[in-house]
Amino acid sequence: GAGVSQSPSNKVTEKGKDVELRCDPISGHTALYWYRQSLGQGLEFLIYFQGNSAPDKSGLPSDRFSAERTGGSVSTLTIQRTQQEDSAVYLCASSLGRDVGAYGYTFGSGTRLTVV
Amino acid sequence: QQPVQSPQAVILREGEDAVINCSSSKALYSVHWYRQKHGEAPVFLMILLKGGEQKGHEKISASFNEKKQQSSLYLTASQLSYSGTYFCGTVRSGAGSYQLTFGKGTKLSVIP
Repeated sequence: GAGVSQSPSNKVTEKGKDVELRCDPISGHTALYWYRQSLGQGLEFLIYFQGNSAPDKSGLPSDRFSAERTGGSVSTLTIQRTQQEDSAVYLCASSLGRDVGAYGYTFGSGTRLTVV
Repeated sequence: QQPVQSPQAVILREGEDAVINCSSSKALYSVHWYRQKHGEAPVFLMILLKGGEQKGHEKISASFNEKKQQSSLYLTASQLSYSGTYFCGTVRSGAGSYQLTFGKGTKLSVIP
């Protein structure tokens, strides 16, 4: 598509429930990133996918968080047993490749997650 | 490690200039700059590589001082459309990582 698409745009869930957030990157972009943005904070790295390589999960805050990328395209971020501190905007970005010296990120509009 | 941005916030009148700084305690490979308007996605502005090169985008330019591990974003003759939060994202040299670490952002408000 023309841009990075994320769904849903807003999600309100009860504490303890599981949620799935979807990201559809730009066609042809091999690198895909998930970040989390809390109110007034910067962007916190969560996970990175590059092609068919094993993902870099070093930013996932706990084992309640997981992500997968199917067919080198669409990615799903899953949060199990949600907690109130998980409330944030979850941003997905894609880029042409992993060379951060050459390629900028294109971000989606994000999913605003509210845990009540 | 998260880069440090300064100032945290700045208010300008149209036509005024501003400088936003991004500093790291570690050697950097590249620095990215993004602008995020309220309720919108961050938008890529430019990339700088170590070597002190300066890049420009409209009336917005940036430099990268490799010795100081600092990048500066220059906004000249500011326009209302420049308002937003500016983030720098960095990648350390030799870290073997491919994802950006972002600063906390600088909120820029341009008023008539």
